[in-house]
Amino acid sequence: ETGVTQTPRHLVMGMTNKKSLKCEQHLGHNAMYWYKQSAKKPLELMFVYSLEERVENNSVPSRFSPECPNSSHLFLHLHTLQPEDSALYLCASSATSGETYNEQFFGPGTRLTVL
Amino acid sequence: GQNIDQPTEMTATEGAIVQINCTYQTSGFNGLFWYQQHAGEAPTFLSYNVLDGLEEKGRFSSFLSRSKGYSYLLLKELQMKDSASYLCAFGDSNYQLIWGAGTKLIIKP
Repeated sequence: ETGVTQTPRHLVMGMTNKKSLKCEQHLGHNAMYWYKQSAKKPLELMFVYSLEERVENNSVPSRFSPECPNSSHLFLHLHTLQPEDSALYLCASSATSGETYNEQFFGPGTRLTVL
Repeated sequence: GQNIDQPTEMTATEGAIVQINCTYQTSGFNGLFWYQQHAGEAPTFLSYNVLDGLEEKGRFSSFLSRSKGYSYLLLKELQMKDSASYLCAFGDSNYQLIWGAGTKLIIKP
């Protein structure tokens, strides 16, 4: 595997379900990100982890819970979601976060539909 | 406050040139990125400008004017495969990216 991978690619869940999105990067990066992408809207940064420490939580509802067990893996745990949470969830990684800019590499995303 | 704006959709002809503009407002600026995103795929990096001027990379060029809060992406010799959304994003004072909504570029034969 190369680059940034995400599983599953598609997910349909009910509002009472619990599911998890997985992201894995094979680039040796130290920072990982979760974004939400809705149609015709800007990418919304949800969470940032740098060196496995969470550095940003942009007022995301608690029904979204991130987990970063190591610098290569990132999870987004979902529970009691709402239909408006249906979107493309993108994971990205970069060499570092903060004090400098590095290109972010994106995974293919998980298309989430909440019924 | 911070905001960033780019056209929603543009149409161009194969073989032609197209310029996609991006304007932004922010108190802290740390460079401007352009990404390409094909439908159903991940965004991929195109360019990063931190100083004023034009950066050329093959058929694609990116321009930045910090005093005007303005950038553009110039695509030459358009090909059908260039049909995609083009996202601009600037780095804020916390070194996080603030994204535009993207410009959907439609290439016609």
